[in-house]
Amino acid sequence: DTGVSQNPRHKITKRGQNVTFRCDPISEHNRLYWYRQTLGQGPEFLTYFQNEAQLEKSRLLSDRFSAERPKGSFSTLEIQRTEQGDSAMYLCASSDRGQPNEKLFFGSGTQLSVL
Amino acid sequence: AQRVTQPEKLLSVFKGAPVELKCNYSYSGSPELFWYVQYSRQRLQLLLRHISRESIKGFTADLNKGETSFHLKKPFAQEEDSAMYYCALSSGGNQFYFGTGTSLTVIP
Repeated sequence: DTGVSQNPRHKITKRGQNVTFRCDPISEHNRLYWYRQTLGQGPEFLTYFQNEAQLEKSRLLSDRFSAERPKGSFSTLEIQRTEQGDSAMYLCASSDRGQPNEKLFFGSGTQLSVL
Repeated sequence: AQRVTQPEKLLSVFKGAPVELKCNYSYSGSPELFWYVQYSRQRLQLLLRHISRESIKGFTADLNKGETSFHLKKPFAQEEDSAMYYCALSSGGNQFYFGTGTSLTVIP
């Protein structure tokens, strides 16, 4: 499968624990995005990378959230001291910024449940 | 601030009937508008974008800057069109903002 891959698919954790998600984008894509989606809502932008540089972060991204893309390939999203309000689907998407018809390719997401 | 509004959370039409999914946006610059679709148990994927002015699976969408709308239309709905549809706006090719989505059900 050459699409965007996200792991794990599901994560159940207790409040206060730290969690980390991984996203492997399509290999030639230089842009990588993280979104969060809750029930009944559309994807909400969290942050995005151009290669290894994190270019923008949403104000939704509190200091408990951190994302990295150390070599401009895969990315990790870490949530520290999880809260019940963090329960959501976390989506990763990648794109090739150089293409004239740039479009987002989404992964299947990681469903986080904080108990 | 950029915003995308999809006023209908649920929409049901009969097979063969025309369908229109509404999308309005607010953005001070020149937006790029998209429709993304999520079929049952599948990933979110691009359906069409206004720049391409294309018809995909019989769907079309016209950007109306005067009304700040980008409604999705299809003259004859099919059962396989049942899905969740999201309108999205790109601000200068950076962030993508999504609406809350419309769940379309095509009744046989």
